[in-house]
Parts: sequence; structure tokens; C-alpha cells
Amino acid sequence: KNEVEQSPQNLTAQEGEFITINCSYSVGISALHWLQQHPGGGIVSLFMLSSGKKKHGRLIATINIQEKHSSLHITASHPRDSAVYICAASTAGGGGSQGNLIFGKGTKLSVKP
Amino acid sequence: GAGVSQSPRYKVAKRGQDVALRCDPISGHVSLFWYQQALGQGPEFLTYFQNEAQLDKSGLPSDRFFAERPEGSVSTLKIQRTQQEDSAVYLCASSLKQGLAKNIQYFGAGTRLSVL
Repeated sequence: KNEVEQSPQNLTAQEGEFITINCSYSVGISALHWLQQHPGGGIVSLFMLSSGKKKHGRLIATINIQEKHSSLHITASHPRDSAVYICAASTAGGGGSQGNLIFGKGTKLSVKP
Repeated sequence: GAGVSQSPRYKVAKRGQDVALRCDPISGHVSLFWYQQALGQGPEFLTYFQNEAQLDKSGLPSDRFFAERPEGSVSTLKIQRTQQEDSAVYLCASSLKQGLAKNIQYFGAGTRLSVL
């Protein structure tokens, strides 16, 4: 079992729909990251959060530390939102280690006009 | 430059050839990370530098993989005697502070390596 699991793997939506991508993790974390990867490889950091909820434009990220679960929501989705969305957990480190960034496999989102 | 720059963007190598992948982090960033991303998978950690010191190389898959950052800025990932299973996108990321705790990483566009 992967330490960071995302669902769904693939998601197709119609323009305007509300989208939710889920991430569950089994490791102790210092922070949880949501990243966006466009075709061609470029990765952009969307959110880094360790508690509660963050909002940026049409994107909302939430995290429940007790349940070890995070969600990324996209409101009023648009074709330009089509990308792979990756959840990554910063592990807590310790014992001299700086920790590690453990990635989920990503959710491929396609938004149709 | 404004972001993390990686070169080359694409590299095709014959099996057994040595390759060198370059990463120019954001100026002043202390931490530098290398990741390997196989097709259809999320990135996986390879190695981490804090300035010129390689503090963690636990993710390097074999001793054919070597990384350096001699002056604490530009880093090179070298793969010797490439094998087909080395085919992947190699991503570099940098962050302003040391370590991972609550640090945003800025990613380069990656180098896509294809070993024939």
C-alpha cells in the first residue's frame, strides 16, 4: 500500500462542474502539498497546508489531521484546469533527517467545454 | 533566472551511455532536491542538498547514480551506464530554506530521459 493514496486516478468533468480530488496518507506529516502538473512536466505548487483550509481563487484545499485526509476542490471548473493534480506529504523527519516528500500517483483531470 | 531551470529538456541515450542532467535552482535557495518520475507515476525522491552538502541520497536507485552541487548552486545528476529502466522524467526542485518542514518547493520543467 502506498503511503500517499489519491482518488480518483482519472476524472472527466464538464465545464462549470464542482470537482473534488481526495488524498489519504498513512505517514506522520509536517505539511501536505497540492501540486499541479501540466503536460510537458512543469510542476506548480498550489497549496501547502498543515491544518484547516486554504483558498486561492477557484481552488480550495482542506486537511483533516485526525483522519489523515486532504481534499482539493475546484469550483466552476474550466478546460484550462485540465492537468494532473498531485498530493504530496512532507514527512516529519527526525533523528537528524530532514524528512522526505512522498508523492501520490496523481489524478488526471480533463475538463470538457 | 526567475524559476528553476533544467537542461536538457529531452535526452535520448543508448543503453550503456553516461548522461549528465543539469539543474539551475532559484538564486539563493538553500535546498535542492532531485526526483525521478516514471510514466504514469508520481515523482519519487532521489537526493537532497543543503547548499553544497548532500545530506540525503537514500533515494538513488543504484551506485550508477551520482549527484553533486559543488558550489551550492547548480547541481548535476549523473547516470552512468544507463539502462532502459532509467527512462523517466528527472525533476529538480529548490526551496528557500533548509529541509522540508513547511517549505514550498519550486520545480523545474524536468528532463525527459529515454534510454534505447
